[in-house]
Amino acid sequence: AQSVSQHNHHVILSEAASLELGCNYSYGGTVNLFWYVQYPGQHLQLLLKYFSGDPLVKGIKGFEAEFIKSKFSFNLRKPSVQWSDTAEYFCAVNKRSGGGADGLTFGKGTHLIIQP
Amino acid sequence: KAGVTQTPRYLIKTRGQQVTLSCSPISGHRSVSWYQQTPGQGLQFLFEYFSETQRNKGNFPGRFSGRQFSNSRSEMNVSTLELGDSALYLCASSSDSLYYGYTFGSGTRLTVV
Repeated sequence: AQSVSQHNHHVILSEAASLELGCNYSYGGTVNLFWYVQYPGQHLQLLLKYFSGDPLVKGIKGFEAEFIKSKFSFNLRKPSVQWSDTAEYFCAVNKRSGGGADGLTFGKGTHLIIQP
Repeated sequence: KAGVTQTPRYLIKTRGQQVTLSCSPISGHRSVSWYQQTPGQGLQFLFEYFSETQRNKGNFPGRFSGRQFSNSRSEMNVSTLELGDSALYLCASSSDSLYYGYTFGSGTRLTVV
């Protein structure tokens, strides 16, 4: 069964610091990759996704992620974080199949706290 | 464009009862999937429906079931509730191309007492 591993469960940064959240998955086939964010009291929102093509993907709010196939990784980055980036971040993967795609497998999440 | 709507927002049920949760997808989305979110297990995939057919299923007992109607609205049913079923149940819808990924609703918070 496929799995998703997020390296850090809790991250605390100061405003303007750079951010990198790690995500590794275990599946050798063709996959779709996602990063979702959950702000306090809000629903999951899509930050960015990767299906194919350029492995460097840009998303909303200045986030980007790089897909490295050889490392089964899809790390999330932001050059300068803001206090409003405080949230829970989830990496998710699903494998493509003939009928579309399987359900999403999520990582356990990273709780990011930005200190003013 | 209206988002994914889940009703009710909160539910309290007693052990042994059954419960039905509802999800209305974004207009035009034919795929609806369900997830369970708990502090211990995180987000886990329950099942996915596409054009009224269950297309994928996660690793949950048969007490968890669902269906999808011709207008793409979906319901999830849990029978013989257990304390461990207390969770946030999330519904997500997507277009056929997945161009916008999966759009999630706000969830139904189920508490089993």
